[in-house]
Amino acid sequence: AQKITQTQPGMFVQEKEAVTLDCTYDTSDPSYGLFWYKQPSSGEMIFLIYQGSYDQQNATEGRYSLNFQKARKSANLVISASQLGDSAMYFCAMRGSSYKLIFGSGTRLLVRP
Amino acid sequence: NAGVTQTPKFQVLKTGQSMTLQCAQDMNHEYMSWYRQDPGMGLRLIHYSVGAGITDQGEVPNGYNVSRSTTEDFPLRLLSAAPSQTSVYFCASRKEGGRYTGELFFGEGSRLTVL
Repeated sequence: AQKITQTQPGMFVQEKEAVTLDCTYDTSDPSYGLFWYKQPSSGEMIFLIYQGSYDQQNATEGRYSLNFQKARKSANLVISASQLGDSAMYFCAMRGSSYKLIFGSGTRLLVRP
Repeated sequence: NAGVTQTPKFQVLKTGQSMTLQCAQDMNHEYMSWYRQDPGMGLRLIHYSVGAGITDQGEVPNGYNVSRSTTEDFPLRLLSAAPSQTSVYFCASRKEGGRYTGELFFGEGSRLTVL
């Protein structure tokens, strides 16, 4: 069975600083994908970044990077140079060999000016 | 670009009533799915489909039915609504094949209240 755990219900960060959002996962599938989504207060789901289990390098997309530690089964999202618009819910998700994409419970990030 | 379209956006039901949440996508995506989002629970998968005529259960399927008669449409049916089904419902789709990039495209959500 697949499981995604996000242990930080809420986080604060000062504008322009970096922040790390934690995500751990559990799966017995040898091949899997890890995703991060952002949900602003308006409610839509926005895809941020993807990491494949066999990718040699950590994924990066602009100010977002994924700190993938396979042995520790962690896939933390790092946001550099935080902006006020980064205040939102952030969800980690995983897809294994099945078609299903399973989400964690989310972390609410608040960026302080 | 329409993307994934959900209707209705808001609905209030009485306990025991039935209703259908509609979902349509115009991207020719094979995979479609329904999630519910409750406060503090993240998104939980209800049902999903990998193509017309093929559906399967997710994490929380009880109380919901789905069908997939066309590639474009994936309606979610509540046969006898219960207050526990009060939630925000998201439909999402993606293209299959290739690597597991599998980015999901979400609809805007449907807020359902069951009294």
